[in-house]
Amino acid sequence: GDSVTQMEGPVTLSEEAFLTINCTYTATGYPSLFWYVQYPGEGLQLLLKATKADDKGSNKGFEATYRKETTSFHLEKGSVQVSDSAVYFCALQGANTGNQFYFGTGTSLTVIP
Amino acid sequence: DAGVIQSPRHEVTEMGQEVTLRCKPISGHDYLFWYRQTMMRGLELLIYFNNNVPIDDSGMPEDRFSAKMPNASFSTLKIQPSEPRDSAVYFCASSEPPGLNNEQFFGPGTRLTVL
Repeated sequence: GDSVTQMEGPVTLSEEAFLTINCTYTATGYPSLFWYVQYPGEGLQLLLKATKADDKGSNKGFEATYRKETTSFHLEKGSVQVSDSAVYFCALQGANTGNQFYFGTGTSLTVIP
Repeated sequence: DAGVIQSPRHEVTEMGQEVTLRCKPISGHDYLFWYRQTMMRGLELLIYFNNNVPIDDSGMPEDRFSAKMPNASFSTLKIQPSEPRDSAVYFCASSEPPGLNNEQFFGPGTRLTVL
């Protein structure tokens, strides 16, 4: 079945460091891919998304490119800030599974000044 | 729009008691999802509804859990009797009618502690 696998955490970085959180997926057809972010004490909120191969989603300095050849959707940011400290979830919406999402296990990021 | 509304935000109860969690989805959203989040198991889909009808409840852990959606603006998740292992954060999410690329909007969650 459809699923996503994302990098285990926690991740700790210094401010202005480069961030990569890996995400790979398994799905039939052409799924849509998402990154959600969860700040402490809050629900998940959409960070960015991509709907077809080679699409690049971007928001708040974060980027991820839908790579069908490697079935990946890695999250990157060139210079992290303390305010980026949160848990990041990779998610997949299958081409044939309606509105059901499949979430990864989440990666906790802490950015220290 | 106020977003997805959940109540209560925090619930502390004793083992064996009945717990009812409530959710109001965003108006116009036809899909409603209940998730459970724990450190050990991450984010798990429990059940989801389309137009108030349960579509997939395969994630409901056992018969102690039940969910209803009596109308388009209200859903409940009930645990009876509750057990300490049910302690978790429970999220409700909603999304628009079918189509690709539909974002799920999450509520703030209910933190449940069963003593």
